[in-house]
Amino acid sequence: NAGVTQTPKFRVLKTGQSMTLLCAQDMNHEYMYWYRQDPGMGLRLIHYSVGEGTTAKGEVPDGYNVSRLKKQNFLLGLESAAPSQTSVYFCASSPWDIQGTDTQYFGPGTRLTVL
Amino acid sequence: GENVEQHPSTLSVQEGDSAVIKCTYSDSASNYFPWYKQELGKRPQLIIDIRSNVGEKKDQRIAVTLNKTAKHFSLHITETQPEDSAVYFCAASRGYRGSNYKLTFGKGTLLTVNP
Repeated sequence: NAGVTQTPKFRVLKTGQSMTLLCAQDMNHEYMYWYRQDPGMGLRLIHYSVGEGTTAKGEVPDGYNVSRLKKQNFLLGLESAAPSQTSVYFCASSPWDIQGTDTQYFGPGTRLTVL
Repeated sequence: GENVEQHPSTLSVQEGDSAVIKCTYSDSASNYFPWYKQELGKRPQLIIDIRSNVGEKKDQRIAVTLNKTAKHFSLHITETQPEDSAVYFCAASRGYRGSNYKLTFGKGTLLTVNP
């Protein structure tokens, strides 16, 4: 049981390049999330998904797109990378819980640098 | 939307002392309050959580208290040890019953425990 995994771990892009970050979970969780973490800013939600085939915008969605074609995978795309997107990106997943809690399990993160 | 304020941003204590981190939230409908610990270079991990029908919860050296009237909750760590050094994040959510699947995080507290 690997939990939540992210690919790649590190990436350096040039301004204007595109890339896709992959998040995979093997816990059969319904909900998946993409966050970015910047110094002093905490964790900010980019996009999230409440089930296969659904996506929704979070707090800072501009410049990013997502897709959830399979329940276990959540992809984050940068179509034209900008230096402001230099950050550490975390994926998380959460099970449906009859008690209504939102325990989220995080992946190891992807460190992205845009030059 | 929800806004979570966390204080202090940095906290330094001597080994064996207690540490307290406080958070306030704005959405009176929030009913789930988790705390995450993030060690340097690692992913955030849940350490304790509390639901709105409970005023206090303890797990060994850590405890969380909730005051719904004042809309604030706190993390208490007793008998601190060097391995408690990390960034701690509080978060708040309405939970699934509120049709809100998102956690809103505070900006984090860097706790340093000096030997």
